[in-house]
Amino acid sequence: AQSVAQPEDQVNVAEGNPLTVKCTYSVSGNPYLFWYVQYPNRGLQFLLKYITGDNLVKGSYGFEAEFNKSQTSFHLKKPSALVSDSALYFCAVRDGYSGAGSYQLTFGKGTKLSVIP
Amino acid sequence: NAGVTQTPKFRVLKTGQSMTLLCAQDMNHEYMYWYRQDPGMGLRLIHYSVGEGTTAKGEVPDGYNVSRLKKQNFLLGLESAAPSQTSVYFCASSTKSTGVLTYEQYFGPGTRLTVT
Repeated sequence: AQSVAQPEDQVNVAEGNPLTVKCTYSVSGNPYLFWYVQYPNRGLQFLLKYITGDNLVKGSYGFEAEFNKSQTSFHLKKPSALVSDSALYFCAVRDGYSGAGSYQLTFGKGTKLSVIP
Repeated sequence: NAGVTQTPKFRVLKTGQSMTLLCAQDMNHEYMYWYRQDPGMGLRLIHYSVGEGTTAKGEVPDGYNVSRLKKQNFLLGLESAAPSQTSVYFCASSTKSTGVLTYEQYFGPGTRLTVT
């Protein structure tokens, strides 16, 4: 079974400071990892993904994430936070094993990011 | 290009009533999904479809049925609504994934359902 943990329900950061939203995962095979963002009363929007290759993945709106296989982590980062980054962030994982049910993404419970002016 | 659209946006049902949520996508995606989002629970997969005429159960399928008669549409049905089905429902779609060619999902705006 695959699972995702986002250990922080909420992260507060001052505008202009770097931000990190944490994610750890558990899968049987190789992990395919995603970050999504949800603004109030909206659907989820894709930010970035790691499938294979370089451990540092760059995505939309200046976000990046670092895949760490030994720590089974995929933390989301941004060098300088904006007030407009305030939203709910979800990490998701899919097991790279191509068996039945491999289409399913498992989402974390979400982390609310608040960027304080 | 509207992406993924959902109908209706809001609905209030009484216990025991039935309804159908409609999801449509215009991106020619093979895969479609229905999720529910509850506070503190993240998103949980209800049912999904990997092609026209095919559906499969996800993590929380009980109390729901789905149909995919056309490639662009994915319907979610509640035959006898219960208060536990009060939630926000999201539809998503994606390109067919094959091994490392794994694609992100595109989400609709959601349907907020309240069952009293």
